[in-house]
Amino acid sequence: DTAVSQTPKYLVTQMGNDKSIKCEQNLGHDTMYWYKQDSKKFLKIMFSYNNKELIINETVPNRFSPKSPDKAHLNLHINSLELGDSAVYFCASSQDASSGELFFGEGSRLTVL
Amino acid sequence: AQSVTQLDSHVSVSEGTPVLLRCNYSSSYSPSLFWYVQHPNKGLQLLLKYTSAATLVKGINGFEAEFKKSETSFHLTKPSAHMSDAAEYFCVVSYTGRRALTFGSGTRLQVQP
Repeated sequence: DTAVSQTPKYLVTQMGNDKSIKCEQNLGHDTMYWYKQDSKKFLKIMFSYNNKELIINETVPNRFSPKSPDKAHLNLHINSLELGDSAVYFCASSQDASSGELFFGEGSRLTVL
Repeated sequence: AQSVTQLDSHVSVSEGTPVLLRCNYSSSYSPSLFWYVQHPNKGLQLLLKYTSAATLVKGINGFEAEFKKSETSFHLTKPSAHMSDAAEYFCVVSYTGRRALTFGSGTRLQVQP
């Protein structure tokens, strides 16, 4: 069974559209994350939730809205997509908020045309 | 500012020869340090971690890293490279009191037959 799974794996869409990426973890972890990886492989934290509570909210446009219905799920909704949003988005989880041992999903490659 | 620097963006070795991937961190506080590996089109996987116990840390797949406080370094090594080691490697630092991990810019390891 996949520990951290995210869907869809690939997403191609037009500028201005709204899209969502879903993430689920079956590890029983308390903390989940969204990371953005750009074309140069640089990874940047976007959001983190601990037991459904937002604990990290880095400088991200408010077009990006995370939602955690329960501690096993963390979804990412993006409004009014722009060309610069094209990237690979990784979901991850950890036992708790202080753990540096993250378990990553395989990524969702978003291409905005 | 708290940061981590990977000194080489690209390293190329021959199969069977040693691997050295270099990482330096800023030393404001006692850090926890990690190396993650990302194979093509995959999520990141933890290779090893240092959390103030033994300074020489052994990880998966024959990798190890040594924490050197005097040099503020945490270089990753492997005695003999295998073709399957070809991937992107990230040095990551976590500081006490700061929840978000700081990722290095990555080192792409190429293994030649």
